[in-house]
Amino acid sequence: DAGVIQSPRHEVTEMGQEVTLRCKPISGHDYLFWYRQTMMRGLELLIYFNNNVPIDDSGMPEDRFSAKMPNASFSTLKIQPSEPRDSAVYFCASSAGPVTEAFFGQGTRLTVV
Amino acid sequence: GENVEQHPSTLSVQEGDSAVIKCTYSDSASNYFPWYKQELGKRPQLIIDIRSNVGEKKDQRIAVTLNKTAKHFSLHITETQPEDSAVYFCAASIGGSGYSTLTFGKGTMLLVSP
Repeated sequence: DAGVIQSPRHEVTEMGQEVTLRCKPISGHDYLFWYRQTMMRGLELLIYFNNNVPIDDSGMPEDRFSAKMPNASFSTLKIQPSEPRDSAVYFCASSAGPVTEAFFGQGTRLTVV
Repeated sequence: GENVEQHPSTLSVQEGDSAVIKCTYSDSASNYFPWYKQELGKRPQLIIDIRSNVGEKKDQRIAVTLNKTAKHFSLHITETQPEDSAVYFCAASIGGSGYSTLTFGKGTMLLVSP
C-alpha cells in the first residue's frame, strides 16, 4: 500500500477563495482523521470518521470548515471562504482500529494570502 | 474533552546522553498512549505506543512508562544520537468500538548535539 495520500502538497490561495483538500486513506482502515498543525497550536484534531460516518467534529473551528467522506477511499476537507489565519499544514491520518497506530499522510501546506 | 500537556517544549542534550519527555492527560478513560516523531518538513510517525494495561514498554533505545493513577506517561531515549533530533509528540486516546479520540500534546523539540 502506498500509505495515506494527500493532495495537493502545497496550496496558495487568495483570501475569500474556496479550498478543497483531499485524502485517500490506507485500504481497510476504518478510521480517518483530519488534523491542522501550526506552531502556536500544535496538532489539532478537526474531525474524524469511522466507517465513513463523521463521529466528532467538535474541533472544526467554524462553519467555514466542512468535511466529507463519500466512500471508504476518499475524504475532503473544504474551507469556504478561506482566511489568512487558516494558513497551516493539514494532515490526514487513518488507522485500522480505535487504539492502533494512526498513519499520517504527507500533509498539505496551505497558505492564504 | 481530553487535554494533553507535554514538557519540556525544547530539550537540548549532548550525544550519548539520555532524554526524557513527560506528558500528563486529563481523562482517566484514556486507554492508548502513542508517541510520534516528526522530522523537519515530514509527517509524524509512530515510534512507540503503550496501552493502559501495561506500565512500561521498551524498544531498543526507546522506552515509555505509564502511571495511570497519576495520569502521566513519559518517553525515555538513551544513548541519544544526532539523528534523534526532531519534534516528539505524545498523544492520548479514548478508544472503543466506533470511536477514537487521538489528542496530541504540543510537542517537544529535541536537539542532540554531536
